[in-house]
Amino acid sequence: EPEVTQTPSHQVTQMGQEVILRCVPISNHLYFYWYRQILGQKVEFLVSFYNNEISEKSEIFDDQFSVERPDGSNFTLKIRSTKLEDSAMYFCASSASLLETQYFGPGTRLLVL
Amino acid sequence: DAKTTQPPSMDCAEGRAANLPCNHSTISGNEYVYWYRQIHSQGPQYIIHGLKNNETNEMASLIITEDRKSSTLILPHATLRDTAVYYCIVSALGGTSYGKLTFGQGTILTVHP
Repeated sequence: EPEVTQTPSHQVTQMGQEVILRCVPISNHLYFYWYRQILGQKVEFLVSFYNNEISEKSEIFDDQFSVERPDGSNFTLKIRSTKLEDSAMYFCASSASLLETQYFGPGTRLLVL
Repeated sequence: DAKTTQPPSMDCAEGRAANLPCNHSTISGNEYVYWYRQIHSQGPQYIIHGLKNNETNEMASLIITEDRKSSTLILPHATLRDTAVYYCIVSALGGTSYGKLTFGQGTILTVHP
């Protein structure tokens, strides 16, 4: 069964450093999403992406965040200058269309020191 | 998206049916009811969704009341591996939400031997 994959599974970084989280969505999917979950808190929507453009973003997704689909398979989330409060699980999801179910990856655990 | 209300926790004996309720009294006509679950800190796993008819798949059944103000997720024969946080999400996919899923706190289901 096709699945969303994410790398790395864990990432430790120093505050102020840039990180790039990578996702490989399901191959025929066209809509891509990032969510995050701070330890012990709810899963929160960050951004949705379609046709090489951001469709919607939350207030969390400020200028420090960016997304890109650099090639036909990868979807990335970049945090330019990490803060302590960026420590969280980051989940990528994809769907075939807006009307189709979103499938989530296993997540990347980001720890900012 | 409409708000949902779920009990914070429930218990179920292994082998018995687990019935997880969700209240979504402000649901509108074009909003679907989605159920996901999250085991530990893994990525949310899609279970089932519906608009107004009852639905069944290999994982679960979804019963939606006629007025659509509440629904019940049924795991017919719960196993220990079904211990997870279960999220009921209402979403008007394809509308203005651009695929955004809004997660609440969910119900922590504990299946015990």
